[in-house]
Parts: sequence; C-alpha cells; structure tokens
Amino acid sequence: DTAVSQTPKYLVTQMGNDKSIKCEQNLGHDTMYWYKQDSKKFLKIMFSYNNKELIINETVPNRFSPKSPDKAHLNLHINSLELGDSAVYFCASSQDQHTGGGSEAFFGQGTRLTVV
Amino acid sequence: DQQVKQNSPSLSVQEGRISILNCDYTNSMFDYFLWYKKYPAEGPTFLISISSIKDKNEDGRFTVFLNKSAKHLSLHIVPSQPGDSAVYFCAAGGTSYGKLTFGQGTILTVHP
Repeated sequence: DTAVSQTPKYLVTQMGNDKSIKCEQNLGHDTMYWYKQDSKKFLKIMFSYNNKELIINETVPNRFSPKSPDKAHLNLHINSLELGDSAVYFCASSQDQHTGGGSEAFFGQGTRLTVV
Repeated sequence: DQQVKQNSPSLSVQEGRISILNCDYTNSMFDYFLWYKKYPAEGPTFLISISSIKDKNEDGRFTVFLNKSAKHLSLHIVPSQPGDSAVYFCAAGGTSYGKLTFGQGTILTVHP
C-alpha cells in the first residue's frame, strides 16, 4: 500500500522518442508535484498541480507535459527526448499547496530515465 | 542561483557519536524548513521539520536547530547508528510557497 507510487522505476530509451511516467498517490492529498534530480544531485521542482489545476511550471521545456486526470494522479509525458533529459524524476504529493507545517511532501521512489 | 545549499557533500561518523549536518539558505521569505532522508533507489522520506518561529525542534535522536540571523540550520543525530547512513536533504518552503527548494544533499556514512 505504497503512498506515492510511480512507474516505471527505470526507463531507457533512444533520443527522439516520446515516453510517459505515471504517478499515483493514495494519501488523499490535494497537491502533486514532479521534481527532477539533476546530475549535480539537486532536487528541483518542475510542476505542481492542486486539485487537477496547474499551479507551478518552473520554466520547463514544453516537451514536458504533465497531465492530471484526477487529484490522485499526475503523469508526466515527455516528447522528443534529448540526452540532457537523463535524470531521476520524482513524483510527490502534499496535503495542500502551501509547504508550511503539516504539509510535508511525500515522495515516490523515483524513475531513472536514461536517454541514449 | 541556489537558494538552499549544503556545502558538505559527505560526512563520515563513528557509530554512537554525533552527526551534524549543515544547511544554509539565502531567501529570508522561507518560513519552514525540513530535512529529508534518502536511501539508494528510494524517494526522499520526511524526517523532521522546523518553523521559523522556533529555533529548535527535537524528535528522538534527531534535533534540528535554526539560526535565522545566520540563515543556517543544522540537523543533529545522537547517537548515530549505521542505519542512519543515507543522503540527507535540507529543504525550505513556507506559507508563501507552493514548492520546496532543496539543497544538493549530504551523504552520511556511519561506521560500526
């Protein structure tokens, strides 16, 4: 009964391909996020959704398109994959969009994307 | 423009001793700070947090100290155990923010 689950865990694909990463949370949270851990190990926000509505888009290339069919799911679709997209992508959720007390983010196990 | 920094990439400590992990931030609008722990091939898990109205928060072996004037926080683990070996991320956020800003992590190794 994993709280935040994302699939696949590993993804190896060729440049130019289109791929999706799925994320689901069973915590009843209103807000979901996608974070990217880059080669320097920083975890950086990409997107956040609150009740299926886009709240944050951190100047991510428009090849990345998040989709939230309902508040328990936030999928990430990536078009025309590039070598620089190789990273670990983490999905997360929190009770609400304000990261103050009581609204800690819970993370999935990550998806290691390798573009060759 | 990294607003949260962990300047020590790694720390090695003997079992039973104290581990001190440090974090600096630049944005004075942050009013909530968190520490996350991450094992290999897993996502970060929440460990402990502190609001800017406090200067200390304790939870068992873990204590977080906040020095607002220095824009510095630290995580103390006493006594350290081999199972504490992981990457520790400092993060900052708050009521004005819809996201957490993370540091780059510190790898803690606790030797038996």
